[in-house]
Amino acid sequence: EAAVTQSPRSKVAVTGGKVTLSCHQTNNHDYMYWYRQDTGHGLRLIHYSYVADSTEKGDIPDGYKASRPSQENFSLILELASLSQTAVYFCASSDAWGRSDYTFGSGTRLLVI
Amino acid sequence: AQKVTQTQTSISVMEKTTVTMDCVYETRDSSYFLFWYKQTASGEIVFLIRQDSYKKENATEGHYSLNFQKPKSSIGLIITATQIEDSAVYFCAMREITGNTGKLIFGLGTTLQVQP
Repeated sequence: EAAVTQSPRSKVAVTGGKVTLSCHQTNNHDYMYWYRQDTGHGLRLIHYSYVADSTEKGDIPDGYKASRPSQENFSLILELASLSQTAVYFCASSDAWGRSDYTFGSGTRLLVI
Repeated sequence: AQKVTQTQTSISVMEKTTVTMDCVYETRDSSYFLFWYKQTASGEIVFLIRQDSYKKENATEGHYSLNFQKPKSSIGLIITATQIEDSAVYFCAMREITGNTGKLIFGLGTTLQVQP
């Protein structure tokens, strides 16, 4: 069954530390996305990618980097984690077609202390 | 600029009734796609239904249907015969064709509580 798998499911990180969130999809989709969800802000796009070895900035990229080493894998990297980055992070994938819907991962709950 | 607005923060209905959730959007594109997603209590986000802007017919999928009013830039979600399991947060989203980034812009969501 096609799916998007995120790891870890939850993480506690120390302020100033490095955090890597991983995402793996078996949908054979070209597009992958990272969103963060905060109460009162809904889902906001951080980074996205439409081909391996290339990433694009979304609407709130500051403080985040992304890596797409293969079609299946897309990582979100917080080089210097900050308290404001405490949130739930969702990865998603979709086809290149405009009408294609997203398949979401289960989310990663990140707490920065 | 593209924007999606859901004005209803939360709605409470009795089981087996019909509920409508509102969504309005802003876009400069002549062609776009509109989506509704459901986020369950466990946090899972699932796709429910889509409306293509160039189609006049309202989309339907099971007990979900849409009320698409293009002149008003409005796309309402209608759930008929609601069930307890429909209790969740519902997100409206839009994708423009321009730029072909594939990205979705989401509204802030409407929390639906279905009472027995």
